[in-house]
Amino acid sequence: EAGVTQFPSHSVIEKGQTVTLRCDPISGHDNLYWYRRVMGKEIKFLLHFVKESKQDESGMPNNRFLAERTGGTYSTLKVQPAELEDSGVYFCASSQDLGTEAFFGQGTRLTVV
Amino acid sequence: QKEVEQNSGPLSVPEGAIASLNCTYSDRVSQSFFWYRQYSGKSPELIMSIYSNGDKEDGRFTAQLNKASQYVSLLIRDSQPSDSATYLCAVNIDGSNYKLTFGKGTLLTVNP
Repeated sequence: EAGVTQFPSHSVIEKGQTVTLRCDPISGHDNLYWYRRVMGKEIKFLLHFVKESKQDESGMPNNRFLAERTGGTYSTLKVQPAELEDSGVYFCASSQDLGTEAFFGQGTRLTVV
Repeated sequence: QKEVEQNSGPLSVPEGAIASLNCTYSDRVSQSFFWYRQYSGKSPELIMSIYSNGDKEDGRFTAQLNKASQYVSLLIRDSQPSDSATYLCAVNIDGSNYKLTFGKGTLLTVNP
């Protein structure tokens, strides 16, 4: 069974540009999460989907970030326009049920220059 | 005040020794606790979950939880060089049963 996959693994963009990150959760997992780790800090929660519905986006930094999960399968996280402080590793995770183990993808390393 | 705190290390142990990793958390109502292992450049990999006070053993790993002291630990017996990684403590806080709050992680090095 495939794990959580993320694309791309690395992205380098200029300040002001747009980047879209993609996450494919484990098949059958209704719960999908985005997390982010910026340099020197801990991994922080961004948002949570149940199927196609956003349940909690309290961790989203600002309105330059937009997450979608159309059809309740894969999810995208778009940053527009990107700023230098958006640099970090963006992780996606999925779980079958709430409160159960969340499985993480390998992350997308975003560098904004 | 930090919500989940870990000693960043590095923690260095010789091969075959017991590695002890510690984590404290601030939210008294937390119910779910997880240890993830992360190799450099790889995804965090869940190795242990614990939900009630006491010890939980899985192979060479033992998780210990003390909710009164707001403390959770991970013991790795017979440490191997392949155990060298960053160990992340994660806790559900704020009454959430899905939102994980992570510590910064402890870098463990097992020397052959």
